[in-house]
Amino acid sequence: GDSVTQTEGPVTLSEGTSLTVNCSYETKQYPTLFWYVQYPGEGPQLLFKVPKANEKGSNRGFEATYNKEATSFHLQKASVQESDSAVYYCALSDQGSGTYQRFGTGTKLQVVP
Amino acid sequence: GGIITQTPKFLIGQEGQKLTLKCQQNFNHDTMYWYRQDSGKGLRLIYYSITENDLQKGDLSEGYDASREKKSSFSLTVTSAQKNEMAVFLCASTGGGSGNTLYFGEGSRLIVV
Repeated sequence: GDSVTQTEGPVTLSEGTSLTVNCSYETKQYPTLFWYVQYPGEGPQLLFKVPKANEKGSNRGFEATYNKEATSFHLQKASVQESDSAVYYCALSDQGSGTYQRFGTGTKLQVVP
Repeated sequence: GGIITQTPKFLIGQEGQKLTLKCQQNFNHDTMYWYRQDSGKGLRLIYYSITENDLQKGDLSEGYDASREKKSSFSLTVTSAQKNEMAVFLCASTGGGSGNTLYFGEGSRLIVV
């Protein structure tokens, strides 16, 4: 079946440093890939999604490229801020899984001043 | 825009008790979901429903029942609460299709005493 594997947290970074959260996936279909972000006390919300292979998604300085050959969708940001502290989830959905999305285990990011 | 409202925010019950969580959405979305969130395990799908009166089991449906009596509401029942089931339960909805964004509620925390 489908699966999503991402960097185990927690990850602690200083403000201004760069972030990479690794995400790898397995599926036999042609997925849409998602990054969601969850702030304390809130539900997850979409950061961005990419429906097509070899395309890049971005939002709020975060970006990820849908790499079909490597089956990866790593999240990157050049310079993190304290306000980026949150849990980040990689997810996929495809026609094989019906209409639901399969999530990774989440990566908790803490950015310190 | 719309909103997903989950009630109650905290649900406290005794071991063996049947407990119900409720979710309402005003997006007019067809598909609704219940995910369970455990630290280090990410989001795991319990049940979903693609239309009124439809129910589909997810990976974690054992020990749970669900009900979709109206398009706007989706409830989840823990049939016999156990202490190892203490977690946050997230309701979500989407307009349908494998590439559509999920919109989440803020979550309900289950506490078993």
